[in-house]
Amino acid sequence: QVHLQESGPGLVTPSETLSLTCSVSGGSIRDHFWTWVRLPPGKGLQWIGHIYFTGETNHNPSLEGRVTISLDPSKNQVSLRLASVTAADAAVYYCARVSYSGTYYDQWGLGILVAVSS
Amino acid sequence: QSVLTQPPSVSAAPGQKVTISCSGSNSNIGNNYVSWYQQLPGTAPKLLIYDNNQRPSGIPDRFSGSKSGTSATLAITGLQTGDEADYYCATWDTNMNAGGVFGGGTKLTVL
Repeated sequence: QVHLQESGPGLVTPSETLSLTCSVSGGSIRDHFWTWVRLPPGKGLQWIGHIYFTGETNHNPSLEGRVTISLDPSKNQVSLRLASVTAADAAVYYCARVSYSGTYYDQWGLGILVAVSS
Repeated sequence: QSVLTQPPSVSAAPGQKVTISCSGSNSNIGNNYVSWYQQLPGTAPKLLIYDNNQRPSGIPDRFSGSKSGTSATLAITGLQTGDEADYYCATWDTNMNAGGVFGGGTKLTVL
């Protein structure tokens, strides 16, 4: 059974860069897309972006190019960097694995709460 | 504002049936599979339905999904208090370079 665990700072200063890591255990990051999703307080899930194990990426245009998603196959990790954060970026951040078929999210991490404050 | 439109809330009594709609367009639901997720407070989303109407192992047949055109529906029969949660539809959108999109979520209250 694949297990995903997000890690990183729970508090980020406005205008700084949020950096999170998703550690994958029990399986390889090969042959899958890996996605970051967030849940802002009082709002719905928001797709942030994804990366394929080859390094191909895509991200939500509404985040205006602030997103960088990368992976480290040697560590079985996927990373998210979100630059120039504001209070609107406060959320629970999840990493999720996309199924082999590419049509749904079949594994999720527990999520990590990130606050934005000075 | 979410790309996929869901009702903010639905409610029904225990034992009853409820449906949750998810409306989109040809660039998303109309040409892609839909999946549904249940999110209990403080927990990660859980896959309920994939590829429009398929249930993962372990999901009871009280949960079912369907799709017609640019809309999808999640139905839950035999409602239980443990079904109280937020429910999200999801798919992919060609207008986002095949990126993912979610509905705004529907809060289910079991009266």
